[in-house]
Formats: sequence, structure tokens, C-alpha cells
Amino acid sequence: SQELEQSPQSLIVQEGKNLTINCTSSKTLYGLYWYKQKYGEGLIFLMMLQKGGEEKSHEKITAKLDEKKQQSSLHITASQPSHAGIYLCGADASYNTDKLIFGTGTRLQVFP
Amino acid sequence: EAGVAQSPRYKIIEKRQSVAFWCNPISGHATLYWYQQILGQGPKLLIQFQNNGVVDDSQLPKDRFSAERLKGVDSTLKIQPAKLEDSAVYLCASSEGTQGRNQETQYFGPGTRLLVL
Repeated sequence: SQELEQSPQSLIVQEGKNLTINCTSSKTLYGLYWYKQKYGEGLIFLMMLQKGGEEKSHEKITAKLDEKKQQSSLHITASQPSHAGIYLCGADASYNTDKLIFGTGTRLQVFP
Repeated sequence: EAGVAQSPRYKIIEKRQSVAFWCNPISGHATLYWYQQILGQGPKLLIQFQNNGVVDDSQLPKDRFSAERLKGVDSTLKIQPAKLEDSAVYLCASSEGTQGRNQETQYFGPGTRLLVL
């Protein structure tokens, strides 16, 4: 079965610094989703990537899906305290399903 | 547009008791999902409905968990009897569910945090 590994597991950065979170799949990714979760709350959808080489941006967050479609990265530019939370990558379990599997998450803390 | 609604937000019960969670998906969304998220882990799919039919319940512990979506709109997830290891956040999500299409975005509710003592 497909597995998603996220790195790092935890990240503490100073406000204004850039950072990158990686998501590596054991199999080809057909759809890759990035979500953000605040402690004790639901998941907030950030972006979806489908095509190899695809890159999307929203405000100061950019996500990329590599050409081989087995890895994605999430990059935050000039981090702010509002970026703090848990970032989760999720992937379609196979081509013809909308069942998602998730990584274990990356906990981000941003201090002033 | 209203998001996915869940209730209650928090629940504390003793082991062997029963508990039920409710979810109302985004209006018009045909597909509804229940996930279990144990502390420090990513969400794990328990059951997926397409309208009022079950699409996938392969990871639902059927000896104690049950779920229904009788009218194809809101859904209830029940645990009976609860065990200590059921302590988790139970998340409900929905998607448009266009038949035959994958790669649809799932939108999540705020979750129900369950603590079993």
C-alpha cells in the first residue's frame, strides 16, 4: 500500500525566515493535496497538484510536484506567526479513487 | 457557502460507553467521509459514502463502529462500546462526488475530539 513520509516532523523558525516541508511517496502520485491544521481543529485545504512539474502559489505559500510525481514540497516565504500549525500532505490512494491517504504531518512553530 | 458542520466538538466518556457523532456536509456534496486522527498521526479513512451508499468501509472496525447516511445528506458515526484506543479526533469531510472522477478536493469539518477514560 502507498505510504507518505513527511520531513521534517517538526520545525521551529523565526518570523521572516523561509522554510520548506517535503512529502515523499512510495508510489506515483496522481493527486497531491496540502492541508493545514491548527491544534484541535479540522483541516484547511491549501492546494492540489496533479501534473508532474506543476507549481501553485497562494499568498506566501508555494507547492510543487516533481517531474517523477513521487515527491512534493511546500515552501513558505517570509514566515509569520499565522503560518504556525500542522501541515499535512494527502494523496489519492490510486488513479481511479478519491480515497486519500495522509502523511503524519509537519508541526511548524514561528516565533517573533 | 457554509462549510462542513460537526457536533459535538468535544466528548468525554468512560470505556464501554456508547457515543455518536453527527456531520452535515457542504450543500450539494454527494460524497461524505469519516476519518479518525490519533494524536501525532495523519487522518485515517474509516468510511466513505456516495449519496446514501457505502463506497469503502474496509478500515472501519465493524465490531464496534457503525455509520449511516440514510437520506444521502447528513451522517452519524457511532461507537459502541468505546475502548481507550478510540480516543482521537473524528473528522468528517465532503466532496462534490462527480461520478467516475477522482482527484476531487475534500473539505473538512472542525472535528470531534473524543476522550475515552
